[in-house]
Amino acid sequence: ETGVTQSPTHLIKTRGQQVTLRCSSQSGHNTVSWYQQALGQGPQFIFQYYREEENGRGNFPPRFSGLQFPNYSSELNVNALELDDSALYLCASSNRERANNEQFFGPGTRLTVL
Amino acid sequence: AQSVTQLGSHVSVSEGALVLLRCNYSSSVPPYLFWYVQYPNQGLQLLLKYTSAATLVKGINGFEAEFKKSETSFHLTKPSAHMSDAAEYFCAVSPFSGGYNKLIFGAGTRLAVHP
Repeated sequence: ETGVTQSPTHLIKTRGQQVTLRCSSQSGHNTVSWYQQALGQGPQFIFQYYREEENGRGNFPPRFSGLQFPNYSSELNVNALELDDSALYLCASSNRERANNEQFFGPGTRLTVL
Repeated sequence: AQSVTQLGSHVSVSEGALVLLRCNYSSSVPPYLFWYVQYPNQGLQLLLKYTSAATLVKGINGFEAEFKKSETSFHLTKPSAHMSDAAEYFCAVSPFSGGYNKLIFGAGTRLAVHP
């Protein structure tokens, strides 16, 4: 069983640029959640995708957007990057039809905004 | 609104000593509760979870946690610390809301284990 994978592992951008982060969900999972983990903090929920539609959103501005594809992989897009967007971005996949809906995390993408 | 408070951002123990990491939650309904571990430059790994079955939950690597509704706590313990336990630990709550399960994390506790 393949686990959750994310790409790239590291990324450096400058303020104002746009970035796309990618996530492949674990086999058998249909739900992808994205989290932002700033340095020294716990992860913060950005949004969740289920069957290609956004299905819940945290307190993040609209310049954070996403997609989910028919194979349940997902992208996180961030426009007009700000310095505070520097963080570890974590993707987690799960199966919404399972009772406890456990989320499995990928290794993350470290984004640095200069 | 649900929230999680982890008491102590840093905990230091000797190898072989008891590990106790504290977590208190706020939730209007019985929640799902989780403990995750994060090693440097890695993602999160689930240690254990409470899903309204037994109140004492056993996880991987010898860790366990007890759900105490009266104290709204879910503290993580391990009888004997090992050097490999040094990592960041996160408590999380998953509320029943809106038909989806986002995780709400605490700020984390960094565990140091010294010889």
